[in-house]
Amino acid sequence: DAGVTQSPTHLIKTRGQQVTLRCSPKSGHDTVSWYQQALGQGPQFIFQYYEEEERQRGNFPDRFSGHQFPNYSSELNVNALLLGDSALYLCASSLGDRGRFYGYTFGSGTRLTVV
Amino acid sequence: AQSVTQLDSHVSVSEGTPVLLRCNYSSSYSPSLFWYVQHPNKGLQLLLKYTSAATLVKGINGFEAEFKKSETSFHLTKPSAHMSDAAEYFCVVSISGYSTLTFGKGTMLLVSP
Repeated sequence: DAGVTQSPTHLIKTRGQQVTLRCSPKSGHDTVSWYQQALGQGPQFIFQYYEEEERQRGNFPDRFSGHQFPNYSSELNVNALLLGDSALYLCASSLGDRGRFYGYTFGSGTRLTVV
Repeated sequence: AQSVTQLDSHVSVSEGTPVLLRCNYSSSYSPSLFWYVQHPNKGLQLLLKYTSAATLVKGINGFEAEFKKSETSFHLTKPSAHMSDAAEYFCVVSISGYSTLTFGKGTMLLVSP
């Protein structure tokens, strides 16, 4: 039973560039959330997708956008990269609104470095 | 609104001694609470979860946590630390299935021989 798969595992980008990160949820899960974890901090919620729509959004600028596909996989796009966007980006999946009962499964993350 | 406070940024123990990682939460609703562990350069692994059933929750690798509503606490314990327990631990709160997860700032557990 595959868990959450994220790609790529590491990425180096230059300031001002754009980046796309990808996530495949755990088999049977249909809800995907994205989190940003800066060095030495706890993860911060970016947004959540369900039924191909953004359901909730955290306190992140519009440079951060996402998409969910019919197979429940998801992408996180960040435009006009800033040095401060350097972080570990985590994807978490769950089944509908049952995450609080059955838990959220996290991927190993994509380490983004902006230079 | 919901929030989580992890009372210690670092905890140091010797192998074989008990572990206590402290967490207090604030929530306007009946929360679900989780503990996650993160080993260096790894993602987050669920240790245990509280979802309004038994207040004493048993997790993986011998960890337990007790939900105390009167104290708004959800402390994580383990009777005997192992070297492999050295990692960062996050206390997390969620107020509904579709709500976001709110993380504490983490507690780094250091285990010495």
